[in-house]
Amino acid sequence: KNQVEQSPQSLIILEGKNCTLQCNYTVSPFSNLRWYKQDTGRGPVSLTIMTFSENTKSNGRYTATLDADTKQSSLHITASQLSDSASYICVVSLSTLGRLYFGRGTQLTVWP
Amino acid sequence: DTEVTQTPKHLVMGMTNKKSLKCEQHMGHRAMYWYKQKAKKPPELMFVYSYEKLSINESVPSRFSPECPNSSLLNLHLHALQPEDSALYLCASRPVGGSQETQYFGPGTRLLVL
Repeated sequence: KNQVEQSPQSLIILEGKNCTLQCNYTVSPFSNLRWYKQDTGRGPVSLTIMTFSENTKSNGRYTATLDADTKQSSLHITASQLSDSASYICVVSLSTLGRLYFGRGTQLTVWP
Repeated sequence: DTEVTQTPKHLVMGMTNKKSLKCEQHMGHRAMYWYKQKAKKPPELMFVYSYEKLSINESVPSRFSPECPNSSLLNLHLHALQPEDSALYLCASRPVGGSQETQYFGPGTRLLVL
């Protein structure tokens, strides 16, 4: 069964601190893995996208890693800001029509 | 133009009303999607259109009727909805082909059914 599991479910950190979010998946055949940021009531916005041959991808203060052998990914956020408060969703794609499998997301809250 | 737009942003309708949600993109993407998202849950796929043809219908009730009049537009016609259909409805589009393509999501339409 194709599944995407994320941890932790929620996380609270202080402004300026770093954090790491985890994603494990069983989707096969794997096409690519993306991390999205979703603000409440808004559509998801893509942060990073990686194929199975890529180990790491950065986008500003966001760095995603992928281990295709263990089927694990992480998203590291550096020097967190209040605007980072959102749900971070791990999404794994099958190649056919770009069918997506969503994790439940990690709700990140950054406190001043 | 690198965005997906959705209208209206908010919609309140009664169970006997007929309304439509609209999605538009001008990125030349030939795959378009409708998702339903309840609070604190991941989006659930409803429909996929590929080259303006319906390719996936995730057993969605017939009170939801999608339409893709051209490669830039995607509509979702609503009729006789139930209160449990209240949710955020997201549209997405994707270029077809290549390994790095990603789905671009619109801001969503927040629907409340009374």
